Amino acid sequence: DGGITQSPKYLFRKEGQNVTLSCEQNLNHDAMYWYRQDPGQGLRLIYYSQIVNDFQKGDIAEGYSVSREKKESFPLTVTSAQKNPTAFYLCASTGVTNTGELFFGEGSRLTVL
Amino acid sequence: KNQVEQSPQSLIILEGKNCTLQCNYTVSPFSNLRWYKQDTGRGPVSLTIMTFSENTKSNGRYTATLDADTKQSSLHITASQLSDSASYICVVRPGRGSYIPTFGRGTSLIVHP
Repeated sequence: DGGITQSPKYLFRKEGQNVTLSCEQNLNHDAMYWYRQDPGQGLRLIYYSQIVNDFQKGDIAEGYSVSREKKESFPLTVTSAQKNPTAFYLCASTGVTNTGELFFGEGSRLTVL
Repeated sequence: KNQVEQSPQSLIILEGKNCTLQCNYTVSPFSNLRWYKQDTGRGPVSLTIMTFSENTKSNGRYTATLDADTKQSSLHITASQLSDSASYICVVRPGRGSYIPTFGRGTSLIVHP
């Protein structure tokens, strides 16, 4: 079945460690996004990519990094420079020819101990 | 600045009752507006899409309306069920080829038996 897969679903990290969240899609979508969701707040854009080997910072990119080496994959690294990384992270994708429906993964919940 | 405001922030209703959620936006130019449903701990899923020329669209017990002149949308839920308990997010996609949608903070709906 076509879809977008995030892993891991739950992740615990010690302060000072980098962690990488995986996002894979088999929808043949060109655009992919990473969002952060905190309780009581809307989704905030971290990074987005419209094409392979190209990506742009979103509203809250500090302390995060991404890569887009393959169309299907858009991993997010939460670095030790991110001061408050505990959050729910959502990956999404959309095709450039559709009406902009975002297809989301099931999310990854990161907790810093 | 493009903004999407949703109200109420939270809502509690009894099973079987109807409710209406509101969304006001300032996004311009406007391409389309979607309502997403997000179950706790899951990724959002699209319920409806409204384009500039559409006033009303239904998806089962969900009916969305759009007034493009006043930049307002509503989502009406009829005969609520326990499974309707979720966060409902209004998302507006700008026009002119932009792939960056603007998210509202969502309305948290709780349906009690």
